[in-house]
Amino acid sequence: GQSLEQPSEVTAVEGAIVQINCTYQTSGFYGLSWYQQHDGGAPTFLSYNALDGLEETGRFSSFLSRSDSYGYLLLQELQMKDSASYFCAVRPPNKFYFGSGTKLNVKP
Amino acid sequence: DVKVTQSSRYLVKRTGEKVFLECVQDMDHENMFWYRQDPGLGLRLIYFSYDVKMKEKGDIPEGYSVSREKKERFSLILESASTNQTSMYLCASSLRGGEAFFGQGTRLTVV
Repeated sequence: GQSLEQPSEVTAVEGAIVQINCTYQTSGFYGLSWYQQHDGGAPTFLSYNALDGLEETGRFSSFLSRSDSYGYLLLQELQMKDSASYFCAVRPPNKFYFGSGTKLNVKP
Repeated sequence: DVKVTQSSRYLVKRTGEKVFLECVQDMDHENMFWYRQDPGLGLRLIYFSYDVKMKEKGDIPEGYSVSREKKERFSLILESASTNQTSMYLCASSLRGGEAFFGQGTRLTVV
């Protein structure tokens, strides 16, 4: 089976840095993905880590430690438009399993 | 631009009806998925398909079936709709890597 744990809600101020953690248990693991979903919208892909270490894409970075079954998404220079739900997802063969999501509230 | 298209944005169906949700992707992806999303529960995998005519159950397949007769199309079927199947349904497709592309979702209400 598989399970993913992430915080349900995080609040931060505009311009700050926030880290959203994800711990997972899964049988068969290819990598960890992160998705963003605005209210009423579809999830959109942010990043994917297949190997240990940090991946940086603009203001967003994602980290994976396979030995610790742990990853995080780091959002820098927060903007109001970053207010959304963020999901981590594990990638066993041929499918994705998602966490329950972290709602990020960005305040002025 | 990559595209996953779901046939309806909103649907209202009666209890006991057979319901078809259609999904089409134009990216030649092998893998296609159906999820349902409910508040606080994240995205739960109903069924997935890794090739034409191939399908596997996800975590919550009860009350659902799927069909994949062509590579680009993956259909979700609610055999006899019930009120507990009221939800947002999301279709997605992917290659072998870590990126999945989602359709806009179908909000189904069963009354």
